[in-house]
Amino acid sequence: DTGVSQNPRHKITKRGQNVTFRCDPISEHNRLYWYRQTLGQGPEFLTYFQNEAQLEKSRLLSDRFSAERPKGSFSTLEIQRTEQGDSAMYLCASSLARDNEKLFFGSGTQLSVL
Amino acid sequence: DAKTTQPTSMDCAEGRAANLPCNHSTISGNEYVYWYRQIHSQGPQYIIHGLKNNETNEMASLIITEDRKSSTLILPHATLRDTAVYYCIVSGYGNKLVFGAGTILRVKS
Repeated sequence: DTGVSQNPRHKITKRGQNVTFRCDPISEHNRLYWYRQTLGQGPEFLTYFQNEAQLEKSRLLSDRFSAERPKGSFSTLEIQRTEQGDSAMYLCASSLARDNEKLFFGSGTQLSVL
Repeated sequence: DAKTTQPTSMDCAEGRAANLPCNHSTISGNEYVYWYRQIHSQGPQYIIHGLKNNETNEMASLIITEDRKSSTLILPHATLRDTAVYYCIVSGYGNKLVFGAGTILRVKS
């Protein structure tokens, strides 16, 4: 499978714990996006990278959220001191910069904070 | 980026054409119209995009009005597998995509 891969698919954690999600984009794609989606809503943009550079961050991304893409390949999204309001589907997408209207999404990581 | 307005939900009979409307009256000259869909428990999937001219690919057709203030996504022969949330997005080239709530399309046998 050469699509966008996200791990884990599901994560249940207790409030106050830290969690980390991983995204492996399509190999030749140099842009990588993180979105968050809650039930009944469309995906909300969080941040995106071009290669290893983080080019834009949403105001939704509080100080507890950090994303990295250290070698311009896979990316991680960490949430520190999780809150119940962080419960959502976290989606990763990738694209080629020269073709960036076509985002390819992974199946997401469903986070439940108890 | 310009905002879009879509109906909350629509029904379509299997085998018939599904026509999904989108209003984007504040679209600017360099903004594209994109359509994505999201099937339950999956990430969104790109369908089609256009600037001015009508576009067609293996999945759908996109009809953009001459004034570009609205568009219609056409699925020519809807199947049960086309049941999904369909998102119409207007964005400048190279800008991030901002998703709204979309239209829930239910294809019924």
